Amino acid sequence: GAVVSQHPSWVICKSGTSVKIECRSLDFQATTMFWYRQFPKQSLMLMATSNEGSKATYEQGVEKDKFLINHASLTLSTLTVTSAHPEDSSFYICSGTGQGPETQYFGPGTRLLVL
Amino acid sequence: AQSVTQPDIHITVSEGASLELRCNYSYGATPYLFWYVQSPGQGLQLLLKYFSGDTLVQGIKGFEAEFKRSQSSFNLRKPSVHWSDAAEYFCAVGLNSGYSTLTFGKGTMLLVSP
Repeated sequence: GAVVSQHPSWVICKSGTSVKIECRSLDFQATTMFWYRQFPKQSLMLMATSNEGSKATYEQGVEKDKFLINHASLTLSTLTVTSAHPEDSSFYICSGTGQGPETQYFGPGTRLLVL
Repeated sequence: AQSVTQPDIHITVSEGASLELRCNYSYGATPYLFWYVQSPGQGLQLLLKYFSGDTLVQGIKGFEAEFKRSQSSFNLRKPSVHWSDAAEYFCAVGLNSGYSTLTFGKGTMLLVSP
């Protein structure tokens, strides 16, 4: 149980375009979802926290107009990287809680490469 | 604010040998404690967690961890390492009040030699 999927697993896009990443909880209802960013050989950095039906709470230094998060249902959250630039290239990982609010279950990640 | 220290950036262990990965945290009260494992290019898999009660916690894949309040530590152990255990291991701390964001350590890369 507690499986989270992400789509796509890989995406390559041109600079200036927008990219949408989906995060789904497959066998539980994720009341809260989290979006992280991970640079090579580094730890996870929390970008934002979202509760279903509410606006996301962004961490300091994360541009909310650039990283749009939507959590429209208890099983789906999306992260849209708007006007992507090469410095946005990274590994994006989502997680969800629901089976007990304390434990986060992570998706497999999405590798974004902006050319 | 809470913080997590994993003092070993990487560790090499022979297959079949025992393993201990260190984790120290800084927090005013007893936090929720987690160990996650990440294989290359993959997301994080929960190995085990500690919320309260027995300070020795059993997890998946033969891992265990012991919470030591006096040392603010939550070290991960495995008696006999397998080559498939080679991965990055992250210790994380969460606030013990409802849902919470997690603070991650920088990770320890485990290499397993034949």
